[in-house]
Amino acid sequence: EPEVTQTPSHQVTQMGQEVILRCVPISNHLYFYWYRQILGQKVEFLVSFYNNEISEKSEIFDDQFSVERPDGSNFTLKIRSTKLEDSAMYFCASSENPNREYEQYFGPGTRLTVT
Amino acid sequence: AQSVTQLGSHVSVSEGALVLLRCNYSSSVPPYLFWYVQYPNQGLQLLLKYTSAATLVKGINGFEAEFKKSETSFHLTKPSAHMSDAAEYFCAVSQTGANNLFFGTGTRLTVIP
Repeated sequence: EPEVTQTPSHQVTQMGQEVILRCVPISNHLYFYWYRQILGQKVEFLVSFYNNEISEKSEIFDDQFSVERPDGSNFTLKIRSTKLEDSAMYFCASSENPNREYEQYFGPGTRLTVT
Repeated sequence: AQSVTQLGSHVSVSEGALVLLRCNYSSSVPPYLFWYVQYPNQGLQLLLKYTSAATLVKGINGFEAEFKKSETSFHLTKPSAHMSDAAEYFCAVSQTGANNLFFGTGTRLTVIP
């Protein structure tokens, strides 16, 4: 069964460093998402992406964050200058269609630790 | 605004016992509601969803959930717990015009042999 994959599974970085989290969505999906979960808190929506543009973004997704689909398979989340509070599990998801009746398929997540 | 509240961050049940995981939602418009499960080292997997059709929704692995508008609830149940049900369960809501999901904090289910 097709699945969303994410790399790395764990990332440790120092405050102020740039990180890039990578995702490979399901191949025929056109809509991509990033969510995050700070330990002990809710899974929060960050951004959705379609046709090389951001469709929606939350208040969390500030200028420190950016997303990109650099080629036909990868979907990346970049944090330019990491802060301690960026430590979280980051989930990538993809769907065939943005209509909420279509399931979002999630990857296993990348645990980001900022020291 | 929309949100979900999951009561109980940890629930333990004996193998064969009833599983009940609670979810209450808040939404200004008719919601779509979802339950996702996360097994260790895996992504979130959709268990079931409510999309304004039948109020009793059946999902995978024997789980079901009932949408109760009067109680603003969407509790997840399974008549008989299995060891393989041990996982983290997330309730989520989305509303018309948006496809981003709003999740609860999750409930970790432990099944005791």
